[in-house]
Formats: sequence, structure tokens, C-alpha cells
Amino acid sequence: EDKVVQSPLSLVVHEGDTVTLNCSYEVTNFRSLLWYKQEKKAPTFLFMLTSSGIEKKSGRLSSILDKKELFSILNITATQTGDSAVYLCAVITMNRDDKIIFGKGTRLHILP
Amino acid sequence: DAGVTQSPTHLIKTRGQQVTLRCSPKSGHDTVSWYQQALGQGPQFIFQYYEEEERQRGNFPDRFSGHQYPNYSSELNVNALLLGDSALYLCASSYGTGDYSPLHFGNGTRLTVT
Repeated sequence: EDKVVQSPLSLVVHEGDTVTLNCSYEVTNFRSLLWYKQEKKAPTFLFMLTSSGIEKKSGRLSSILDKKELFSILNITATQTGDSAVYLCAVITMNRDDKIIFGKGTRLHILP
Repeated sequence: DAGVTQSPTHLIKTRGQQVTLRCSPKSGHDTVSWYQQALGQGPQFIFQYYEEEERQRGNFPDRFSGHQYPNYSSELNVNALLLGDSALYLCASSYGTGDYSPLHFGNGTRLTVT
């Protein structure tokens, strides 16, 4: 059965710290991996990763994919209270009917 | 440029009732997907509509059905509600079903079944 596992499930750090969120997957016919940030309701798109070893970067956030070891990490440097959210990882498969499988998310709380 | 809009924002129903949730996709998008997100869980795929047809379906019973209109807006219907149907229902839109374009989510409808 296809699955996406995120760790840790929750994390509390102080403002200014750097955090690393993990996403591992076991799916047939991997296509892409996506990261979303969910603050209150609507998840907002962060990154889509398709190729191994190529870092995607947006401001203080960056992400990289390892297709050999089947995982991705999301790094946030110099965290701010506005980074507090649930971070969702999702994997798209290339099966006949493309499926998007979400992990349970990592709940990140930044203390001022 | 309007994003994905969903209505209503909150809904309370009793067991056995039926509910209809509505979604208007982001401008320029033609594909609508529905997700169920239980508390503390990631979104679970319900189904996807494209060209007014259900193209893909997740592991949800037939009590969950949908529709897409010519203007690309969509409805999610749930019959014979169960307590376990209480969740945040998210609608997401994208363009086409080929090369993947990131999903744009609405703010969701919080359904409570009592």
C-alpha cells in the first residue's frame, strides 16, 4: 500500500532556530513530491520536487528530494512566529489513475 | 483573480441526513478535486472531476458523490451521514489532468455530524 510518513508529528522551537522536517514515502511509480503549508484552513503550495539532489529554495525555506533513499526534507532557517503551521508532504504517483497521497503533516509551533 | 471558493464555511448535520458542499475553482482552472481532512490527519483524496466527469476516485463509499458543471464549479454530496464523516472538506483546483500543476486549495467546509 502506498504511504507517506512525516516526522516529527509535532515540533516546538524558539524563534530564530532552524528546523528540518522529514517526509519519507513508499509508493509505486513515484512522479513528484510536494510540500504545502496549512495555517488555518487552505493548504498553500510551497514546493514541487521531481528530480533528486536539486534544491528548491524560497526565502528562508528550502527543500530537497532523495529518490534513492525515498525521502525529502524541508528546511526553515531563522524561524519566525509566522512559520507556525502544519506542513504537509504529498506524493503524486504515475499510476494509470494519478494519485496524490498526503502524509499526516508536521505541526510546527514557533515560540517568540 | 479569485482563488478557490467554498461554501458554506461551517455546517452542522445529524446522522442520516444528506449534505451538499460547493466549490468554485480558481480562475483558469478546469479540474476540481475533493479531499476529506479529519482532525490531525492529512487530506484524503475523495474524487476528481474534469470535463464534468468523475475521473479518479479514492477509497470512499458510494455515499460520496459529486458533480461538475459546465462553468467548472463542483458539488460534493454525502448521503446517510455518519458521525465519522465529521471533517474539514477541502476543494482543490488545477489545470488539466496531464502534467501536474500544483493544487490550489479553498478554505474548506467544516462539517460536523451529531
